[in-house]
Amino acid sequence: DAKTTQPNSMESNEEEPVHLPCNHSTISGTDYIHWYRQLPSQGPEYVIHGLTSNVNNRMASLAIAEDRKSSTLILHRATLRDAAVYYCILRDADQAGTALIFGKGTTLSVSS
Amino acid sequence: DADVTQTPRNRITKTGKRIMLECSQTKGHDRMYWYRQDPGLGLRLIYYSFDVKDINKGEISDGYSVSRQAQAKFSLSLESAIPNQTALYFCATSDIGFFGNTGELFFGEGSRLTVL
Repeated sequence: DAKTTQPNSMESNEEEPVHLPCNHSTISGTDYIHWYRQLPSQGPEYVIHGLTSNVNNRMASLAIAEDRKSSTLILHRATLRDAAVYYCILRDADQAGTALIFGKGTTLSVSS
Repeated sequence: DADVTQTPRNRITKTGKRIMLECSQTKGHDRMYWYRQDPGLGLRLIYYSFDVKDINKGEISDGYSVSRQAQAKFSLSLESAIPNQTALYFCATSDIGFFGNTGELFFGEGSRLTVL
């Protein structure tokens, strides 16, 4: 699977939007972009995923660049509960027999 | 009850001891995974299984073995534990997803292992 690059850490204020970037310049045409987050003392949880088009769900939005070499996870109004490590992962749909490989992610801090 | 249950949640053991971490799930998923988390290193994949007769090595399988006893159960063993295996271990499950894309992963709460 292609590699992703994320900032080690980001800070935000409560109730402000947060844009978490992810670079994946070697992405292939069949790579899906997945985002997970890990709250303190918990296992990771799924946030969102997409292929080409922007995606929205109750937790967040995923904006995918037109060339797909980067993407941004958007939290529209950060809360203290959103403080977590966020992982951006690429998953090749042509390799259904492999597993998700996590990196180090971005640690998001949210201040009140 | 949690969909993915790991036991034990915490374990302290000594170097050279055999340790088994167990994972059971009630989600009916075929795919199960073991990950290890160390501070500053994110999650690393140890082993995964896509059905009862399928076992695959992940990024860091050396020193570990697994057993898929049933669809719902996936155990991780450390035959002779060493201190650098001190870590937080997570079990996860998923379904096959769609269009060849792995479905959403569901994680257990983790098993903290300390090897003295």
